[in-house]
Amino acid sequence: QKEVEQNSGPLSVPEGAIASLNCTYSDRVSQSFFWYRQYSGKSPELIMSIYSNGDKEDGRFTAQLNKASQYVSLLIRDSQPSDSATYLCAVSPSNAGGTSYGKLTFGQGTILTVHP
Amino acid sequence: DTAVSQTPKYLVTQMGNDKSIKCEQNLGHDTMYWYKQDSKKFLKIMFSYNNKELIINETVPNRFSPKSPDKAHLNLHINSLELGDSAVYFCASSLPPQGAFGNTIYFGEGSWLTVV
Repeated sequence: QKEVEQNSGPLSVPEGAIASLNCTYSDRVSQSFFWYRQYSGKSPELIMSIYSNGDKEDGRFTAQLNKASQYVSLLIRDSQPSDSATYLCAVSPSNAGGTSYGKLTFGQGTILTVHP
Repeated sequence: DTAVSQTPKYLVTQMGNDKSIKCEQNLGHDTMYWYKQDSKKFLKIMFSYNNKELIINETVPNRFSPKSPDKAHLNLHINSLELGDSAVYFCASSLPPQGAFGNTIYFGEGSWLTVV
């Protein structure tokens, strides 16, 4: 089983729709969860971080975390063509013991295309 | 001002050669990383340094040797390059994790390495 698994893509949505990206993780002691966006040929850039169960909203983006189900998702409302990119889910395990110091484990990414 | 800068951006070299990639960050971070992104866009940590000390070494062949002369620099030297080393190598930096919680990781623009 992969440590971090994202819903297989590519995902295609019309402009103005809600895009839903999902991610599951296997390490139950994980504490920190991140969504990165990566445009083709560019570096990943952070768009959301979430640490507690529930929802976290930032503009058109909402991250949802359910630690009991080991599930984290990203909703993009009013999707725009400029949202077309690969979205990477990343999980940071607990730093207890220090051996995972700052380590991020990434999923394989979901390619999102928003068409006009 | 580029926060995390790495050189060269593109590198084409022959099998068996030795090459280096340099990285510098001006964010004042203590922690720096090397990540590798393969042809399937899977992003995986290779090394992590905190204040010049090696913290994470993720079962990377010993042909790969990171060096951190100071906490703002982390270079990657690769000996005896192989075809399978072709990938994008991202340098990154962050503040140290806060207790159990990871901190945002900022990526450089990547170095595209092609081994022929």
